[in-house]
Amino acid sequence: EIVLTQSPATLSLSPGERATLSCRASQSVSSYLAWYQQKLGQAPRLLIYDASDRATGIPARFSGSGSGTDFTLTISSLEPEDSAVYYCQQRSNWPPKYTFGQGTKLEIK
Amino acid sequence: QVQLVESGGGVVQPGRSLRLSCAASGFTFSSYAMYWVRQAPGKGLEWVALISYDGSSKYYADSVKGRFTISRDNSKNTLYLQMNGLRADDTAVFYCARDPKPEYCSSASCYHFDYWGQGTLVTVSS
Repeated sequence: EIVLTQSPATLSLSPGERATLSCRASQSVSSYLAWYQQKLGQAPRLLIYDASDRATGIPARFSGSGSGTDFTLTISSLEPEDSAVYYCQQRSNWPPKYTFGQGTKLEIK
Repeated sequence: QVQLVESGGGVVQPGRSLRLSCAASGFTFSSYAMYWVRQAPGKGLEWVALISYDGSSKYYADSVKGRFTISRDNSKNTLYLQMNGLRADDTAVFYCARDPKPEYCSSASCYHFDYWGQGTLVTVSS
């Protein structure tokens, strides 16, 4: 089973700053990695898929990069509403098994 | 717009059964693979099951295999999760989610989830 490890566990930044969130896979997932945002009490929302493609309606300040085992979600200029937990997710080869990272909690000061 | 609305959660005793439903609207339900994902209180996300657009293929997480059954009724635009032999560690919010593409799942597709419902809470407790 592919394990996804996210770092840091918690990130505390101010509005306007740049956030860099990391996701490392225990073996290569090619570019098939997605990122989700989950605000308190809400369902997750797809942000990025295929490592770097923004989902519909996602602001341009969110970007993804990486391939193989190392991936990054970058929020270029933080807004107060970006406070949330962010998860990365991958699918193993066939038959499918889907796994998530343990999450990074982003706090906006 | 795409809407997914889960129902059927509640408090159930260990060993008992529960069936969750997910009513879909705003898209051609019968063309999309669907998923169940759960989240234990204060914990992260865990994939539970996947069903192909026509219901012919089903896949499960090891933690629920043999106890949970995913199904769908395309005539009713509804996804189901039959949960038997419930345990305390099944306590979670259960979300239904959609695959982004109207296609059959294979090794080259079905990688992530684009739309999610708001979830329904299942509490397993005596």
